[in-house]
Amino acid sequence: EPEVTQTPSHQVTQMGQEVILRCVPISNHLYFYWYRQILGQKVEFLVSFYNNEISEKSEIFDDQFSVERPDGSNFTLKIRSTKLEDSAMYFCASSEARRGLKDEQYFGPGTRLTVT
Amino acid sequence: AQSVTQLGSHVSVSEGALVLLRCNYSSSVPPYLFWYVQYPNQGLQLLLKYTTGATLVKGINGFEAEFKKSETSFHLTKPSAHMSDAAEYFCAVRGNNNDMRFGAGTRLTVKP
Repeated sequence: EPEVTQTPSHQVTQMGQEVILRCVPISNHLYFYWYRQILGQKVEFLVSFYNNEISEKSEIFDDQFSVERPDGSNFTLKIRSTKLEDSAMYFCASSEARRGLKDEQYFGPGTRLTVT
Repeated sequence: AQSVTQLGSHVSVSEGALVLLRCNYSSSVPPYLFWYVQYPNQGLQLLLKYTTGATLVKGINGFEAEFKKSETSFHLTKPSAHMSDAAEYFCAVRGNNNDMRFGAGTRLTVKP
């Protein structure tokens, strides 16, 4: 069964450094998402992406975040200058449609980001 | 705005016993509701979803959930727990921006 994959599984970085989290969505999916889960807290929506541009974003997704689909398979989340509070599990998700029959979001296993 | 609340951060049942995980929602429009499961070191896997139509929704692994508008609830049940059901379960509602809004999660422990 097709699945969303994410690399790396765990990333440790120093405060102020840039990180790029990578995701490979399911191949026929058109809608892509990033979520994060700070330890002990809820899974929170960051951003959705369609047709090479951001569709929606939350208040969390400020100027230090960016997303990109650099090629036909990868979907990346970049954090320009990491802060301690960026430490979290980051989940990528993809869906075939935005609404309707095939709108289920399929999630990857997550990347645990630790900022020291 | 849409949101969900999961009652009980940790539920423990014996193998073979009924599983009941509680979720209440808040929504100003007819909600789209979901249950996801997360096994250790894995992603979130969709168990079932409710959009419209039949209020009793059957999902994978023998789980089902019933949408009750009068109680604003969408509780997840399974008649007989297996050891393999031990995991974290998340209730979620679709937001206006097509974002998924998750509850805090309920960790299910199954005792032999």
